Amino acid sequence: DAGVIQSPRHEVTEMGQEVTLRCKPISGHNSLFWYRQTMMRGLELLIYFNNNVPIDDSGMPEDRFSAKMPNASFSTLKIQPSEPRDSAVYFCASRLGQGEKLFFGSGTQLSVL
Amino acid sequence: QKEVEQNSGPLSVPEGAIASLNCTYSDRGSQSFFWYRQYSGKSPELIMSIYSNGDKEDGRFTAQLNKASQYVSLLIRDSQPSDSATYLCAVNTDKLIFGTGTRLQVFP
Repeated sequence: DAGVIQSPRHEVTEMGQEVTLRCKPISGHNSLFWYRQTMMRGLELLIYFNNNVPIDDSGMPEDRFSAKMPNASFSTLKIQPSEPRDSAVYFCASRLGQGEKLFFGSGTQLSVL
Repeated sequence: QKEVEQNSGPLSVPEGAIASLNCTYSDRGSQSFFWYRQYSGKSPELIMSIYSNGDKEDGRFTAQLNKASQYVSLLIRDSQPSDSATYLCAVNTDKLIFGTGTRLQVFP
């Protein structure tokens, strides 16, 4: 199994630009999570999906952030417009079911100048 | 109060010693608990999972859970320099919430 696949690995953009992060979960996993990690705040849950349906998006910082999961094998996290304070590592993770362990992708290092 | 709390460290121990990492959580409905290790610049990887009160051992690692005290710990025996990393405690209700992590440094 290829594991959770994220792209791009690194993204450098200018303030005000749209950023789209992509994730392919492990085949057969029915839950997908998006986290953001910074030195100050640690690993923060942004949103998670069960069976492609968003269950809890209370961690999404503001309306500039949106996430979709159009099918079981693909999810996107979009930031529009981006701001320097969005600079962080964004992780996607998936799991087989409730209570199961989470498998992480390699993360996307986002830098907004 | 944060949902999952950890001491940020760093926790420094000599090679061969026991490292003790602690975590408290606020939601009494939490059902499953995990310890992840994260090396600098890498993604978190699972070390241990624990679901019931008591101890669970796996090699040099022992996870301890006390639901009444809302407390989870991880013991690393015979610590090695390669164990130097950040250790993240994660607590599951319907979603998985992480603590901010404890940085462990094992010196030769």
